[in-house]
Amino acid sequence: QVQLQESGPGLVKPSGTLSLTCAVSGDSINSSNWWSWVRQSPGKGLEWIGEIYHSGSTHYNPSLKSRVSMSVDKSKNQFSLKLTSVTAADTAVYYCARKDSVYYREYFQYWGQGTLVTVSS
Amino acid sequence: DIQMTQSPLSLSASVGDRVTITCRAGQNIYSYLNWYQQKPGKPPKLLIYGASSLQSGVPSKFSGSGSGTDFILTISSLQPEDSATYYCQQSFSTAWTFGQGTKVEIK
Repeated sequence: QVQLQESGPGLVKPSGTLSLTCAVSGDSINSSNWWSWVRQSPGKGLEWIGEIYHSGSTHYNPSLKSRVSMSVDKSKNQFSLKLTSVTAADTAVYYCARKDSVYYREYFQYWGQGTLVTVSS
Repeated sequence: DIQMTQSPLSLSASVGDRVTITCRAGQNIYSYLNWYQQKPGKPPKLLIYGASSLQSGVPSKFSGSGSGTDFILTISSLQPEDSATYYCQQSFSTAWTFGQGTKVEIK
């Protein structure tokens, strides 16, 4: 079955860069799916960060677009997130997820377990 | 961004009760609406997609209805394992947005 696993530093200093990776198993990163990042903080609830296709095409949340970048590593079957100039407001649990669709109705069926990233000095 | 507004934000009900949660979109999203259940320390779990289609493996006590801007999630007979937070999410626009969540507790 499809499994996703986030990894990366749990603590990032203010003004630094948050970097996370999502390892995919049970599916190929080259499949016809978009791969997404979602975060959850007590203050803002669930927030879609963006998505990437295996071709490298991306869509980002307009509110984060100036600070976000995503990439795909086909050799490792994983995708990554970078968020620059972080502040305490970026403290959250970060999830990776696979976007699926049936008859053009899209949804997140598969999620990673989530990783807590705290922004603090 | 399309604003998603859920109500109530929390509710307490007894085992066997019928529970309804409402989600309102800031604009017409047709039936591009999903519902998720989340328990503490776990990722969200897909319950309903396309406003009314039950995800495979999800008990039939969960049902969704609505289109346009107003949507409802119904739990027909509340059980202890249904204690969780429920989120709606629109997939009409590229920038997906979620509701604030409704916390369901068992009396």
